[in-house]
Amino acid sequence: GENVEQHPSTLSVQEGDSAVIKCTYSDSASNYFPWYKQELGKRPQLIIDIRSNVGEKKDQRIAVTLNKTAKHFSLHITETQPEDSAVYFCAASRANSGYSTLTFGKGTMLLVSP
Amino acid sequence: EAGVAQSPRYKIIEKRQSVAFWCNPISGHATLYWYQQILGQGPKLLIQFQNNGVVDDSQLPKDRFSAERLKGVDSTLKIQPAKLEDSAVYLCASSLAGGAGKGTQYFGPGTRLLVL
Repeated sequence: GENVEQHPSTLSVQEGDSAVIKCTYSDSASNYFPWYKQELGKRPQLIIDIRSNVGEKKDQRIAVTLNKTAKHFSLHITETQPEDSAVYFCAASRANSGYSTLTFGKGTMLLVSP
Repeated sequence: EAGVAQSPRYKIIEKRQSVAFWCNPISGHATLYWYQQILGQGPKLLIQFQNNGVVDDSQLPKDRFSAERLKGVDSTLKIQPAKLEDSAVYLCASSLAGGAGKGTQYFGPGTRLLVL
């Protein structure tokens, strides 16, 4: 089955700095890669996703890059703000017979200090 | 649009007792998922339904866990008997349909289970 590794497990930055979280996956057939943000005690919420037919996607201060050859994808947050503090999870999915099963990484706790 | 609803939000039981969780997905979402999230880890899929049929239950501990979605809408996850290691947050999610691009999953608030 799919295995997703996520690094680092914790990341501390100063407000205004950039943050990068990296994930690798094992199944070369995976073709959908979402990122979820989970604030303490709350539900995971989708913040951005990318499909295997593109290499990069941006949404304001958030961007995701995908390297299919290396089976590696990353989340980039620019101009970080204290409200970006949360746990971020990457995931990988392989659409199969009309459904997709997400495999999550273990998460990165991001702390943005004012 | 109403989100995924779950109840109860919190549950404390003793080991060997039974417990049940309920989930109502977003209206019109055919696919429903139950995840287990242990503290400090990412969600782990337990079972996935497409309408009222199971499409993946490979990681469901079937000796103690069961789930059903009889009418293809809401779903119930049961643990019987519970063990200490079942302490976790149980998340329900739903998506419009399966497949990359249509399978964006929306999560409920979760049920926090503590087994003593």
